[in-house]
Amino acid sequence: GENVEQHPSTLSVQEGDSAVIKCTYSDSASNYFPWYKQELGKRPQLIIDIRSNVGEKKDQRIAVTLNKTAKHFSLHITETQPEDSAVYFCAARYPYDYKLSFGAGTTVTVRA
Amino acid sequence: DSGVTQTPKHLITATGQRVTLRCSPRSGDLSVYWYQQSLDQGLQFLIQYYNGEERAKGNILERFSAQQFPDLHSELNLSSLELGDSALYFCASSPRDAHQTEQYFGPGTRLTVT
Repeated sequence: GENVEQHPSTLSVQEGDSAVIKCTYSDSASNYFPWYKQELGKRPQLIIDIRSNVGEKKDQRIAVTLNKTAKHFSLHITETQPEDSAVYFCAARYPYDYKLSFGAGTTVTVRA
Repeated sequence: DSGVTQTPKHLITATGQRVTLRCSPRSGDLSVYWYQQSLDQGLQFLIQYYNGEERAKGNILERFSAQQFPDLHSELNLSSLELGDSALYFCASSPRDAHQTEQYFGPGTRLTVT
């Protein structure tokens, strides 16, 4: 199985600044790493994902980087806006398993 | 809207009771996953079905069971309910059970056990 650790648990940033969330995983065989955003009382929404054959992926203000050697991956949000305030979850998928193992979540607050 | 639907939205029941949660995957998706989200435990994988067959089990209690029907909708049955079962239950679907497939979550069912 897979164990995912996520840091920090809370993050407060000024509007316009960048936010970075880091996750580490335990099994080097894991090969798929999605990030989900969850607003209060709503469903987790897939915002970006990265596969193990790629080191970085970007989608507008959101980017994810993967370091397979160190077994960690990070979410970067640039030019943060109030609507970026939410809980963000990282996850990892072990290839011989079908489940996603989630980190504990990071509560991001963007201050206006 | 992810295309995954779940009913009911809210459910309030008493300890010892049994409930059934229902999930319809996105059109064309064959895999359904069930997750439990408690305040203190984040998102926990419960079970996965692919095209009617159980594929993977997580930390699912023996009091819980699930199935996927020929029309691909799935039901999660929770019995002998305890206060600690109060949580948000999400289902997610994906097109196939390949290892690198995106999962899309439904809106969830909030279960309150009193």
